[in-house]
Amino acid sequence: DSGVTQTPKHLITATGQRVTLRCSPRSGDLSVYWYQQSLDQGLQFLIQYYNGEERAKGNILERFSAQQFPDLHSELNLSSLELGDSALYFCASSVAYRGTGNTIYFGEGSWLTVV
Amino acid sequence: ILNVEQSPQSLHVQEGDSTNFTCSFPSSNFYALHWYRWETAKSPEALFVMTLNGDEKKKGRISATLNTKEGYSYLYIKGSQPEDSATYLCASLGGSQGNLIFGKGTKLSVKP
Repeated sequence: DSGVTQTPKHLITATGQRVTLRCSPRSGDLSVYWYQQSLDQGLQFLIQYYNGEERAKGNILERFSAQQFPDLHSELNLSSLELGDSALYFCASSVAYRGTGNTIYFGEGSWLTVV
Repeated sequence: ILNVEQSPQSLHVQEGDSTNFTCSFPSSNFYALHWYRWETAKSPEALFVMTLNGDEKKKGRISATLNTKEGYSYLYIKGSQPEDSATYLCASLGGSQGNLIFGKGTKLSVKP
């Protein structure tokens, strides 16, 4: 158990809909990352928050947004969903912002299926 | 743009075989190299975080080496067991951002 909790584990929704994925980082971790794992793709970095502030942005679509709350949990909002958004979405956390020598711990992921 | 490449894409070995995989990454602006072990339906499990050129780390039968000057890392598994079957991911931390850039992984299957 990595200590990173993600909900829901599985989600099926229709095109055009909006969903929210939730992540609770490991106790004491201030940094939260979101990654997307699509078929035949490696883990693609979406966005990072550190202590409530956005710190880095990757290949995140404009239809997607995220935030980190004062209690450090994070939510990833996906709207106007398309079939191509079907993927496994991972949340990860670490103590520090850069994580140079720090381990980054991953949750089990949220499987999103858009039909 | 950071590109992390892993080879081979997949590997099938017999129980007891020793094996190794390669991770290559841009050597410029290097900060750290992470290895993960990922079984389906589980969270990727952190194996090693390596930062220094020449670094070698070991965890049981698994070890890793790092060459930051030429931009590669090797992961070795000695005496593979069926429970080692998983996808092994490497990720490089580089540039001004604090996020990891992942390779596509090496999928290892160990037959009993």
